Amino acid sequence: ETGVTQSPTHLIKTRGQQVTLRCSSQSGHNTVSWYQQALGQGPQFIFQYYREEENGRGNFPPRFSGLQFPNYSSELNVNALELDDSALYLCASSFKERVGGYTFGSGTRLTVV
Amino acid sequence: DQQVKQNSPSLSVQEGRISILNCDYTNSMFDYFLWYKKYPAEGPTFLISISSIKDKNEDGRFTVFLNKSAKHLSLHIVPSQPGDSAVYFCAASAQTSYDKVIFGPGTSLSVIP
Repeated sequence: ETGVTQSPTHLIKTRGQQVTLRCSSQSGHNTVSWYQQALGQGPQFIFQYYREEENGRGNFPPRFSGLQFPNYSSELNVNALELDDSALYLCASSFKERVGGYTFGSGTRLTVV
Repeated sequence: DQQVKQNSPSLSVQEGRISILNCDYTNSMFDYFLWYKKYPAEGPTFLISISSIKDKNEDGRFTVFLNKSAKHLSLHIVPSQPGDSAVYFCAASAQTSYDKVIFGPGTSLSVIP
């Protein structure tokens, strides 16, 4: 069984730019959640996708958007990057009908300068 | 408003002794609780969970205790080993949205040989 893979592992962007982060879900999982982990903090829920539709959103502005594809892979897009967007972005896949069964990727470290 | 709190950012324990990591939550709708462990440069991995219908769950060296009236849970690791050195996240979810997991800020555990 394959795990969750995220790309790229590291990324440096300039303030105001746009970025796309990618995630391949674990085989058999139908739900993908994205989290932002700032330095010294726990992962903060951004949003979740199920059946290619957004299925819940945390306290993040609309410039954070996402997609889930038929093969359950996913993208996180962030527009108009701000310095505070610098963080580790974690993708977690799960099976919706199973409680708390997250499998996390290793994350993408985004630095906005 | 932080719904899951871990008030100790760090903890140091001697190898072979007990490690106790604490967690408090504010949302009374939470009824499923999880602990995740995170090594540097890796995503969080699931460690142990407990449902609100129980007050204790054991898995090998790891035991989680839940005190619903106090909205408090703790993770006990006995005996602690150097390989347990990691950041531990307490997390919670609610029956209405079991697949959305809210994380605490984490406690960094160092087990000293």
